[in-house]
Amino acid sequence: QQQVKQSPQSLIVQKGGISIINCAYENTAFDYFPWYQQFPGKGPALLIAIRPDVSEKKEGRFTISFNKSAKQFSLHIMDSQPGDSATYFCAASKETSGSRLTFGEGTQLTVNP
Amino acid sequence: SQTIHQWPATLVQPVGSPLSLECTVEGTSNPNLYWYRQAAGRGLQLLFYSVGIGQISSEVPQNLSASRPQDRQFILSSKKLLLSDSGFYLCAWSRDTGELFFGEGSRLTVL
Repeated sequence: QQQVKQSPQSLIVQKGGISIINCAYENTAFDYFPWYQQFPGKGPALLIAIRPDVSEKKEGRFTISFNKSAKQFSLHIMDSQPGDSATYFCAASKETSGSRLTFGEGTQLTVNP
Repeated sequence: SQTIHQWPATLVQPVGSPLSLECTVEGTSNPNLYWYRQAAGRGLQLLFYSVGIGQISSEVPQNLSASRPQDRQFILSSKKLLLSDSGFYLCAWSRDTGELFFGEGSRLTVL
């Protein structure tokens, strides 16, 4: 059972554009929603995370938008740069499960110069 | 600061051969430890997690096993590899909740 669905599978954006990646979850008990960034041949690293008590969190060019009623959350990358080219994973977990994250299938982002 | 080491980085093994991937964490005590697998073009699948020495929970029934012989050491093993075991294996650690810290990964090709 896939509990976190991520789209699109791949995304190509021009430099300076906005990249948007969407995720939907099924389990209403999830209360922690991180995004991870993975460069080729490397392990993923935490980019930004949100808890459901807020609808938006911004860190620099990266913003998470969260819609609890729709059970959806998204990552927006403003002013996308070639260095942002990577695979992005959304994830979700219940605080009581520790860090046992359920990951989406990933989005391969390419930012053209 | 905390660091996580994973080895070997790359491994090519014949079908039916054994497997041992090792992971160690430095700079912290009693971490939660995890093994994830990433198939080509796919997401991250949690295979095993451990909250303490000798305590292993399996998320997916499969051809693999895990052990935690020491507080900061996590080992992924198989007695006989299958073609379907090919993938990118990632070890990770965390404190009780929140951020997962991943290692650099081990790429396994089974031929």
